[in-house]
Amino acid sequence: QVQLQESGPGLVKPSETLSLTCTVSGGSISSHYWSWIRQPPGKGLEWIGYIYHTGSTYYNPALKSRVTISVDTSKNQFSLKLNSVTATDTAVYYCARSSAWAEPFDYWGQGTLVTVSS
Amino acid sequence: DIQLTQSPSSLSASVGDRVTITCRASQGISFYLAWYQQKPGKVPELLISAASTLQSGVPSRFSGSGSGTDFTLTLSSLQPEDVATYYCQKYNSAPWTFGQGTKVEIK
Repeated sequence: QVQLQESGPGLVKPSETLSLTCTVSGGSISSHYWSWIRQPPGKGLEWIGYIYHTGSTYYNPALKSRVTISVDTSKNQFSLKLNSVTATDTAVYYCARSSAWAEPFDYWGQGTLVTVSS
Repeated sequence: DIQLTQSPSSLSASVGDRVTITCRASQGISFYLAWYQQKPGKVPELLISAASTLQSGVPSRFSGSGSGTDFTLTLSSLQPEDVATYYCQKYNSAPWTFGQGTKVEIK
């Protein structure tokens, strides 16, 4: 059974960089697409971007200028960096898997709340 | 980019009622639409893929239909455990967009 687990600081100061890692267990990170999705408190889901195991990425145009997603296949992990954060970036951040191109998100992490505050 | 519009944004229905949620895409997406259920405080779960394919373990009272730009999620008989927010999501091409969600409550 594939499991995903997000990790990283729960509090980030405004203007700084939010950094999260998703560790994949129970399966290989290869041959799948790995996404970050976020959900502000009381609001809907926003897809941030994906990375393929080769390192190919695609970012939400609304966040593209501030987002970097990377992968470490040796550790079965992928990571998110979001820079110049503001209070509007406060959200639960999920990592999720798409089994292949043009497939929905079949496995999700439990999510981690990141609060942007001084 | 293709936008997804769900309606209604919320609904309240009685146990046993038939409930219908619609998702409209601003451009055709063939059948590349998924539905997710997110119960309060929980992680979203995939209910339906490819517009109408029920995932393993999902009760048969859930069904999906549609293709192109207009899609529907139907609950044939609403149960208390179906209280949740439901999201549609397109995945034919990136960016992979979600609808704004439909909150389902019991009357």
